[in-house]
Amino acid sequence: AQTVTQSQPEMSVQEAETVTLSCTYDTSESDYYLFWYKQPPSRQMILVIRQEAYKQQNATENRFSVNFQKAAKSFSLKISDSQLGDAAMYFCAYRSGSGANSKLTFGKGITLSVRP
Amino acid sequence: ETGVTQTPRHLVMGMTNKKSLKCEQHLGHNAMYWYKQSAKKPLELMFVYNFKEQTENNSVPSRFSPECPNSSHLFLHLHTLQPEDSALYLCASSQDKSGSVTFGSGTRLTVV
Repeated sequence: AQTVTQSQPEMSVQEAETVTLSCTYDTSESDYYLFWYKQPPSRQMILVIRQEAYKQQNATENRFSVNFQKAAKSFSLKISDSQLGDAAMYFCAYRSGSGANSKLTFGKGITLSVRP
Repeated sequence: ETGVTQTPRHLVMGMTNKKSLKCEQHLGHNAMYWYKQSAKKPLELMFVYNFKEQTENNSVPSRFSPECPNSSHLFLHLHTLQPEDSALYLCASSQDKSGSVTFGSGTRLTVV
C-alpha cells in the first residue's frame, strides 16, 4: 500500500520570505502522480501543483515549485515570496497511475502560518 | 454553477436521526469520491464510484450508505451515527487517472 508522510505538523514563515514544506512517500509503482493541495479555513481543498512521476522536470506554478526526487521518494513544496493568503493547511497526496480512476492518498497535512 | 457543490454546509444530528449529504459536480467527470476528514488525522477515503458503479469501499461501517444515481450526483445516507462520526465529509470528482481530483467545500457533521 502507498503511504504519504508529512512529518512537520506546523511551520511559520515571514511574509515575502521563502518556505519549503516536506513530503515523502512510499510506493512500489513506477507510474504515479503527486499533488500538493491547500485547505484554507473555508475548507475548500484547492489544487496547488501536480507532478507526473515520469517527468524529470520539477513542476512550477507561479510562486509555487516542487523538488521531486524520485529515487529518494521525496516531494517538497517551495513557496516563494510568501503572502498572507498562503496561510492554510497543505496536504501532500499520491495518486496511482494504474486503474481508470484511482484514489488519492493524503499525508496528515502541515499548518502554515505567515507572519506579517 | 461550476465545480463540486456539497449540501448542507453544516449538519447537526442526533444518533437516532436519518439524514443525507448531497454532492453534485458540474465538471463532466466520471468518478466521484467521499472522504472523511477528522481532526489531526489524514483524510480517509470512504467510497469511490466510477461511471455510477461503486469500485471501492474502504471498510466503512454500514451506518454510512452511499448512492450514485448518475455520474453527476453522489449521496451519503446517514443513520444511527455515533459521536465519533463527527467530522468534515468531503466529496470529490475526477476525470481520469492522470487528472487532478476536484473537491467540494465539505459538510461539517456533528453527531450529538
